[in-house]
Amino acid sequence: GALVYQYPRRTICKSGTSMRMECQAVGFQATSVAWYRQSPQKTFELIALSTVNSAIKYEQNFTQEKFPISHPNLSFSSMTVLNAYLEDRGLYLCGARVLDYEQYFGPGTRLTVL
Amino acid sequence: GDSVTQTEGLVTVTEGLPVMLNCTYQTAYSDVAFFWYVQYLNEAPKLLLRSSTDNKRTEHQGFHATLHKSSSSFHLQKSSVQLSDSALYYCALREGGYQNFYFGKGTSLTVIP
Repeated sequence: GALVYQYPRRTICKSGTSMRMECQAVGFQATSVAWYRQSPQKTFELIALSTVNSAIKYEQNFTQEKFPISHPNLSFSSMTVLNAYLEDRGLYLCGARVLDYEQYFGPGTRLTVL
Repeated sequence: GDSVTQTEGLVTVTEGLPVMLNCTYQTAYSDVAFFWYVQYLNEAPKLLLRSSTDNKRTEHQGFHATLHKSSSSFHLQKSSVQLSDSALYYCALREGGYQNFYFGKGTSLTVIP
């Protein structure tokens, strides 16, 4: 079956520092990967949609300068949160998508900023 | 733009009773698919149901939903809830192709004995 792994599951960083998180699709080829942030008491915020061999599309309020994404192949994507501050805390989810419109979520990386 | 509206906040139901979680949507696209995701405490969301066919009932794990394009709705129902159904439920719409998923704000279902 389709599985999506995310690493790390939890991370703590100091304010102003950066952290990188990874998303791995196992058992299927993810044609695109969507990165979301689920902040406390909020629903999902789409950060960006990354499709292999295409430009990464960032949503309003999210930029490549703040959330650079690497998507080198159909099974792996990584995103970095640069200069993390308190408002960046939350659960970062990657949703790996397949051609038949399914989206499989990873378990998330929970970011705490001190 | 596209949007999804759900029953907001907390829904509390007694075990064994039925529940319906509302989901309505707005979209300019004809090629769309609809999803219900369930998120248990400290876990990632998991796909519960999906549909893209008008007036066709979809079932999984005792839950069911029917897409009604005439009323722009995709309500989630269960005839007899269990304690283990307590979770966050998200309704989502996906535009055709590699377009965005639009999520509702989520409904927290609490089942009490």
